[in-house]
Amino acid sequence: AQSVTQPDIHITVSEGASLELRCNYSYGATPYLFWYVQSPGQGLQLLLKYFSGDTLVQGIKGFEAEFKRSQSSFNLRKPSVHWSDAAEYFCAVGAVDSSYKLIFGSGTRLLVRP
Amino acid sequence: EAQVTQNPRYLITVTGKKLTVTCSQNMNHEYMSWYRQDPGLGLRQIYYSMNVEVTDKGDVPEGYKVSRKEKRNFPLILESPSPNQTSLYFCASSSGPLYDYGYTFGSGTRLTVV
Repeated sequence: AQSVTQPDIHITVSEGASLELRCNYSYGATPYLFWYVQSPGQGLQLLLKYFSGDTLVQGIKGFEAEFKRSQSSFNLRKPSVHWSDAAEYFCAVGAVDSSYKLIFGSGTRLLVRP
Repeated sequence: EAQVTQNPRYLITVTGKKLTVTCSQNMNHEYMSWYRQDPGLGLRQIYYSMNVEVTDKGDVPEGYKVSRKEKRNFPLILESPSPNQTSLYFCASSSGPLYDYGYTFGSGTRLTVV
């Protein structure tokens, strides 16, 4: 079965520091990959998505992610974190048996130190 | 404003008392879905609907019902809630396949069943 692994449950970074959130997926072919952010008390907002083409994807709020087929990874990065980035981040992959279903990882909660 | 609206935001109920969580979208999206979010498990799909009168089970449909009588509305029904249905629920919609459009999520409904 398809799965998405986010190995870090919590990550704490200092404001202004760089950030990398890890995501690994299990699927042989080129997957559809997504990163969503959930701020406290809010729904999920799409940060970026990858379907094909350039493996470095730019998203909103200064985030980017890189698809690495050899590592089955789609890590999210930001060069300088702001306090407002504190939230929970979910990686997701499109299901192979449906164009309309996402399979989510368990999430990584980002804490930002002032 | 384009959005997915869920009601209520918070609900505490007792075991066995039927309840309905409403979901409405104003974007004329054909595809709608319900997810539940539990700590350490990420989001799991409960039911989805491809269009009016077309619904199907997701990964965790037990104990839930849905209906899609109008394009804009997709209510989630718990006929006899149990404590293991205590969770955070999200409704989402899309205008087409996720690889083109992604999801728009509601703000969530936190349900507690005692």
